[in-house]
Amino acid sequence: NAGVTQTPKFQVLKTGQSMTLQCAQDMNHEYMSWYRQDPGMGLRLIHYSVGAGITDQGEVPNGYNVSRSTTEDFPLRLLSAAPSQTSVYFCASSYGANLEQFFGPGTRLTVL
Amino acid sequence: AQSVSQHNHHVILSEAASLELGCNYSYGGTVNLFWYVQYPGQHLQLLLKYFSGDPLVKGIKGFEAEFIKSKFSFNLRKPSVQWSDTAEYFCAVNDAEKSSGDKLTFGTGTRLAVRP
Repeated sequence: NAGVTQTPKFQVLKTGQSMTLQCAQDMNHEYMSWYRQDPGMGLRLIHYSVGAGITDQGEVPNGYNVSRSTTEDFPLRLLSAAPSQTSVYFCASSYGANLEQFFGPGTRLTVL
Repeated sequence: AQSVSQHNHHVILSEAASLELGCNYSYGGTVNLFWYVQYPGQHLQLLLKYFSGDPLVKGIKGFEAEFIKSKFSFNLRKPSVQWSDTAEYFCAVNDAEKSSGDKLTFGTGTRLAVRP
């Protein structure tokens, strides 16, 4: 099992550009989430999904879109990047509601 | 909504010293509690978790945590730290009664540095 994979590992964008952060898991987990990690603020939930075709907003959803067309994939789209979105992004998945989450290696994003 | 407080932002210890990291949460319902660790340059890994039962939970690498419901606390402990324990530690909580969604609320983290 590869677990949770994320691509790219690093990305630099200019303000206004769009991009998609990829996340995939091969554990047949129903639940997937996106977090951003910022110094002194811990991890904050952006969006999450309880299964294919179902997504919902987390704590800091503005400026991000998600979709879940398959169980395996949960991409995060930045529509128009802003410097405030400079962060490290982690994708996570879990077997079911309220259970242990498995995290991917993260994507470090810099927006200039 | 839940919130999690980790009052120790930075902790510096010498090897073999004992460790206790504080974690308090604010939520009146039934909770699941987690401690995650992030070693330098790596992703988060689960150290231990509490769902129900014995409030003293043992995790990997000699860590343990005690759930004290009356204090809304879930402090992490290790009797003797090693240099390899240098990492950032995150406490997290979610609502054990929600049947849908899987939202974890994280604390701001405690950065531990262990001096050899």
